[in-house]
Order: sequence, then structure tokens, then C-alpha cells
Amino acid sequence: QKEVEQDPGPLSVPEGAIVSLNCTYSNSAFQYFMWYRQYSRKGPELLMYTYSSGNKEDGRFTAQVDKSSKYISLFIRDSQPSDSATYLCAMSETGANNLFFGTGTRLTVIP
Amino acid sequence: GAVVSQHPSRVICKSGTSVKIECRSLDFQATTMFWYRQFPKKSLMLMATSNEGSKATYEQGVEKDKFLINHASLTLSTLTVTSAHPEDSSFYICSAASSGNTIYFGEGSWLTVV
Repeated sequence: QKEVEQDPGPLSVPEGAIVSLNCTYSNSAFQYFMWYRQYSRKGPELLMYTYSSGNKEDGRFTAQVDKSSKYISLFIRDSQPSDSATYLCAMSETGANNLFFGTGTRLTVIP
Repeated sequence: GAVVSQHPSRVICKSGTSVKIECRSLDFQATTMFWYRQFPKKSLMLMATSNEGSKATYEQGVEKDKFLINHASLTLSTLTVTSAHPEDSSFYICSAASSGNTIYFGEGSWLTVV
């Protein structure tokens, strides 16, 4: 079993839709949870960073962590064509070191 | 947010030659930097962890003599692919850990070995 599972998609939604991206994990010791956005042929860009359980909101983006279910989500409201990218979840026991990545979900927002 | 610069963004080299990729943290000091490799439509594969002033820690299956890592200062780590072969062609990405315990990635470097 992989440490982190993420549906690779692809996922296509119309502009303005709410997007839900998810990852599950098996290691209950993970405490740090991150979402990265990666445009084609570019390095990943940190979107959201959450420690332990709970919700975090930043503009159109909301990250949720449910440690009891070992499940994390990223919601994108009012999706825009510029949101079209691959979204990677990542998590760690200790923060900076030893990140475990999902395979990434490719999202396309159709104008 | 923090900025990590990677150079060159694209490089083409002949088989058998060596190529160096630089990773710089521009606005913070990074005692730890990481080097990843990414194949098309695949996730990031950690190659090695680079610690300033000490030897890098390589992941299982990564040849340390082929992928030389030097972390000479708190803002610079370099990856040298020695005696490159076409199968080394890939997207190489570095990241740096900030004091706030978050990871920031560079823009990546496309290596093509011909």
C-alpha cells in the first residue's frame, strides 16, 4: 500500500464550478499536510499548508484535514481556467523533511 | 512567499558529459535542500537530501557517484549529473526547507541527454 493515495484524474470542470481534490494516507503519524499546484513543465508551487486537523482558508482555496479518517481535501471555489494544473498533496511526520507526495490530480477548468 | 531559484531551466548535453544544476534559496537560508526527479505524468521522486556542510543522504537506488550533490552554503546546493546518458533525461526539481518548516520548490530543470 502506498503511503499516500491520490486519484490522478484527469478532472474537467466548467468555469465557476467548485472543485474537490482529495488524498488518503495510511501513516497516522503524519501531522503536516500541504497542497502544491504544478503547471506544465514548472516546479510545484505551495498553495496551502496545514498542521494537524482542521480547516484552513485562503481566498478561493480551502484545505481540510480529517486525521481520524486519514483524509485530506482541497476545495477550489469559483474555479478559473488559470486553475488548470496538476495538484499534488504532500504530507510529513516532521514538517520539512521526508515529504510523501501523492501522484497528483490533473485539473482542467473549461471556459 | 519564499523563492527558490533553479538554473538552468533547460539544458541539452551530449552523452558522456557532465552537467551541473544549481538551486538557490533567494530570500531565506536553507540548511536542508532536496533534489527530486519527475518523469512525465508521474509524481516527484526524492533522490537525495542535501545538508549544508555535510554529505548528502541518498535514497535507495540512487547512485551517489552519478548524481553528485554539494551544499556549500546556506543558500546554494548543486546537483551534478556525471557521465550523463539518455536515460538520465528528466525533469529535476530542487526544494528548500525554510525555518518555518515548509518546503518551497524551484522551477525545475529539464535535462536532455543526446
